[in-house]
Amino acid sequence: GAVVSQHPSRVICKSGTSVKIECRSLDFQATTMFWYRQFPKKSLMLMATSNEGSKATYEQGVEKDKFLINHASLTLSTLTVTSAHPEDSSFYICSARDESVGGQFFGPGTRLTVL
Amino acid sequence: DAKTTQPPSMDCAEGRAANLPCNHSTISGNEYVYWYRQIHSQGPQYIIHGLKNNETNEMASLIITEDRKSSTLILPHATLRDTAVYYCIVRVGTGGFKTIFGAGTRLFVKA
Repeated sequence: GAVVSQHPSRVICKSGTSVKIECRSLDFQATTMFWYRQFPKKSLMLMATSNEGSKATYEQGVEKDKFLINHASLTLSTLTVTSAHPEDSSFYICSARDESVGGQFFGPGTRLTVL
Repeated sequence: DAKTTQPPSMDCAEGRAANLPCNHSTISGNEYVYWYRQIHSQGPQYIIHGLKNNETNEMASLIITEDRKSSTLILPHATLRDTAVYYCIVRVGTGGFKTIFGAGTRLFVKA
């Protein structure tokens, strides 16, 4: 089946630094990927839609300059949290669309802790 | 996408069937019903989806009412590993569109 990976699975950083999270579709090509964030005991919140070769589409209220998304290839999308602050600590999850089977598959998530 | 309503939590005894309801009274004719689950600290896992007909796979069964305004996910023999948050989602298309998550149902399977 379709597999989506994320790296790193866990990251701790100091306030003010930037953190990059990678999302890869391992056995299929994905023109569209999605990024979510999830706070403890809350549901997933869609942040943005990442489109290969074009700009990402951000959901209302999500700062595009804060959360930089790059989708440079059909198997890789990256989310960079710039100048991270403690309130950015969260569980970040990506998903990728596999057009060949008409499904959307989720990565295992990345837990970001900003000190 | 249509909004869904699910009970916040449910309990189920191990080995028994778990029946998780979902209301989607404003569903459109071209919208599918999807179910995902999320085990603690993991990404969501696809379970099953359907349009009109009932569906079954190795994980679960999906029963959709004739008017399509509600559905039930059935885990036939729940195990402790089925303890998770289950999300019912209504979405246009067979996977190409963004998935908006509601609050879901937290299922506790008890020994």
